[in-house]
Amino acid sequence: GENVEQHPSTLSVQEGDSAVIKCTYSDSASNYFPWYKQELGKRPQLIIDIRSNVGEKKDQRIAVTLNKTAKHFSLHITETQPEDSAVYFCAASLGTGNQFYFGTGTSLTVIP
Amino acid sequence: EAQVTQNPRYLITVTGKKLTVTCSQNMNHEYMSWYRQDPGLGLRQIYYSMNVEVTDKGDVPEGYKVSRKEKRNFPLILESPSPNQTSLYFCASSLSLSLKSEKLFFGSGTQLSVL
Repeated sequence: GENVEQHPSTLSVQEGDSAVIKCTYSDSASNYFPWYKQELGKRPQLIIDIRSNVGEKKDQRIAVTLNKTAKHFSLHITETQPEDSAVYFCAASLGTGNQFYFGTGTSLTVIP
Repeated sequence: EAQVTQNPRYLITVTGKKLTVTCSQNMNHEYMSWYRQDPGLGLRQIYYSMNVEVTDKGDVPEGYKVSRKEKRNFPLILESPSPNQTSLYFCASSLSLSLKSEKLFFGSGTQLSVL
């Protein structure tokens, strides 16, 4: 099955700096890559996703890039704010009729 | 309000005592799934269901059962819980994986402790 690796496991940045979280996947058939944010004690929530036919997607301060050849995708958060502090999970899916494979999570701390 | 409802939020039980964690969604979603979250291991899929009466094993199905008799409900059953099933459990649903509507809506989680 698919194997998703996520790095780093913890990340601390100063407020206003950028944060980058990287994930790799093993199955070249995976075609959907979402990112979920989980605040302390809360449920995971989708923040951005990308499909394999797109190389980059942006939503305000958040962007995701995908390199299909290298089988890796990254989450970029610019101008970080304290409310960005959370655990972030990447995931991969083969799409129709298949399951989601999550990374092990990155705990991001934004220092005011 | 559109939501995924899980019950209970917290559960302490003893080894071998059968339990059920309920999950219900009111969004007419086809796809439902269960995950367990453990420190350092992220979210691991236990079972998933593409539609009524269709269920499949995820990565860690051992010791769990599910059923999907109605579209809205997807209970997780632990027939004989063991301490290694102590974990935070999440139910999730999405409209339909086949319609490019894969966004997962998660329940609020169930913290299970098996003594």
